[in-house]
Amino acid sequence: GAGVSQSPSNKVTEKGKDVELRCDPISGHTALYWYRQSLGQGLEFLIYFQGNSAPDKSGLPSDRFSAERTGGSVSTLTIQRTQQEDSAVYLCASSISSGNTIYFGEGSWLTVV
Amino acid sequence: GQQVMQIPQYQHVQEGEDFTTYCNSSTTLSNIQWYKQRPGGHPVFLIQLVKSGEVKKQKRLTFQFGEAKKNSSLHITATQTTDVGTYFCAGIKAAGNKLTFGGGTRVLVKP
Repeated sequence: GAGVSQSPSNKVTEKGKDVELRCDPISGHTALYWYRQSLGQGLEFLIYFQGNSAPDKSGLPSDRFSAERTGGSVSTLTIQRTQQEDSAVYLCASSISSGNTIYFGEGSWLTVV
Repeated sequence: GQQVMQIPQYQHVQEGEDFTTYCNSSTTLSNIQWYKQRPGGHPVFLIQLVKSGEVKKQKRLTFQFGEAKKNSSLHITATQTTDVGTYFCAGIKAAGNKLTFGGGTRVLVKP
């Protein structure tokens, strides 16, 4: 597909379990962002990858959150020992390079019960 | 760190009226972008402003970048129900590369 693809689209998990969220950016896009959005709220920046540079992890809320981007393409956001407050939509976005328009995926809706 | 603030947080508008939402950055920006998120959807790019004092129009939407490149505004004329959603501004600071989003303005239109 031509757009940013995220999976799963919906995930219900039990408190304490680990989850992995996947993002397939648009082909050729070197910049990739992860955001978190709670219901009715704004976009909370989590992490930013740009090419081969060290990622900007300044938005990760705790050490339970981590992300990697393999081969400069697919990215995985991992949340360990999930808590109820982790329930939100996790949005991935990519751009052809830093400073350009970013394109969002449909998001992964995470519910922790 | 860089902060981008948007006001108002909420905007209730009567259909047919005009309104403006404002975006202010704590640092000088190299460019500013605007996105719209419909209820239940994801943010979608609207426009990018690069030059100091730049003004761009998209039908009923007018976007402006301040002379100091630290603020921007979005003005919507003759609001329609299709304008419902959250409007986010996002800026990249001069000599930076990461896009920082404002908190968004949630627009509700009363028919």
